[in-house]
Amino acid sequence: EPEVTQTPSHQVTQMGQEVILRCVPISNHLYFYWYRQILGQKVEFLVSFYNNEISEKSEIFDDQFSVERPDGSNFTLKIRSTKLEDSAMYFCAIRTEETQYFGPGTRLLVL
Amino acid sequence: KQEVTQIPAALSVPEGENLVLNCSFTDSAIYNLQWFRQDPGKGLTSLLLIQSSQREQTSGRLNASLDKSSGRSTLYIAASQPGDSATYLCAVAAGAGSYQLTFGKGTKLSVIP
Repeated sequence: EPEVTQTPSHQVTQMGQEVILRCVPISNHLYFYWYRQILGQKVEFLVSFYNNEISEKSEIFDDQFSVERPDGSNFTLKIRSTKLEDSAMYFCAIRTEETQYFGPGTRLLVL
Repeated sequence: KQEVTQIPAALSVPEGENLVLNCSFTDSAIYNLQWFRQDPGKGLTSLLLIQSSQREQTSGRLNASLDKSSGRSTLYIAASQPGDSATYLCAVAAGAGSYQLTFGKGTKLSVIP
């Protein structure tokens, strides 16, 4: 099973601050996804990324969010100006063939 | 819009019992269905993936079935163990070219020693 790590594991930030969440797949992958899970809620799709471009995004993924692969390995999710409702667990996933493999998540708390 | 529902929301069984978790989805035009396990505060572990053309998949004590036309899947766990205690999530992929997953809320399983 492909291994995916995420940093940081926990992040606390003030409302209005920018945060960057990182995803590091151990081996080379082309298909990346970000999902989030608000406490007690369903896991929700945010965005998919293929070949250095966004291929799909949900209505949650508004202008406050951006993704990039700055150095060919790390895959980042940036939230420009965090809101209280951005508090959630954020999961990165990679896809090989049909199966998606998830990282351990970053727990983001916005105060 | 695809909706995925999992019943029951929680289930408690004695060790050794066989059990079935249910998943239903509203739009039968899916590409595949994936079952995950989530431990408290942790990420998601992929258990089984069933293609839309398949009827079932097996891995060890786990067996997942898919009835695409009726919009249902089940996850069967044989001879349950305390280590199986976790939340089990069902997720469907929309269609060829779109692999975004739509998740159910999960079934929280407790296996009592």
